[in-house]
Amino acid sequence: GDSVTQMEGPVTLSEEAFLTINCTYTATGYPSLFWYVQYPGEGLQLLLKATKADDKGSNKGFEATYRKETTSFHLEKGSVQVSDSAVYFCALSDRKAAGNKLTFGGGTRVLVKP
Amino acid sequence: ETGVTQTPRHLVMGMTNKKSLKCEQHLGHNAMYWYKQSAKKPLELMFVYSLEERVENNSVPSRFSPECPNSSHLFLHLHTLQPEDSALYLCASSQGGLAGVETQYFGPGTRLLVL
Repeated sequence: GDSVTQMEGPVTLSEEAFLTINCTYTATGYPSLFWYVQYPGEGLQLLLKATKADDKGSNKGFEATYRKETTSFHLEKGSVQVSDSAVYFCALSDRKAAGNKLTFGGGTRVLVKP
Repeated sequence: ETGVTQTPRHLVMGMTNKKSLKCEQHLGHNAMYWYKQSAKKPLELMFVYSLEERVENNSVPSRFSPECPNSSHLFLHLHTLQPEDSALYLCASSQGGLAGVETQYFGPGTRLLVL
């Protein structure tokens, strides 16, 4: 079945540091890939997505490129802020006609210190 | 963000209680989902409803009973829960269809504690 593996946290960084969170996936078809972010005490928010190979998703300074050859979708940000402290989830979508199924990675907690 | 709302936000219940979680989406979507988020475990999909019909039930115990009376509302009825059912229960919605990618939009969750 489908699966998503992402690096375990917590990841602790200083403000303005470079952030990378690795994500690799296993899927039988051609899934869409997502990064969701969960701020403390809140639900998940879509951060960015990519629907096909070589697509780059970007939002709020974060980027991730859909790499079919390495089955990866690593999240990067060049200069993090304290407000980026959150848990980040990589996910893939198994598209079906009636409702789609998201498979999530285990989440990576990121803590940015001033 | 008020696209998907959940009530209550926090719930404490005993193992013999019956309670219900409510989810409402204001996005005009036609698919709704329940997820369970436990500490130290990946997010688990519990149920999927599309066009008010249940299309997926991920081997969830019968003490969890979903209900989708219309495309905007989703309930999760709880009875005789166990302490290990304590978790954050997240609702999501999406616009289904063969074309395009179905992005799921999440509510803030209900934090459930079973004593």
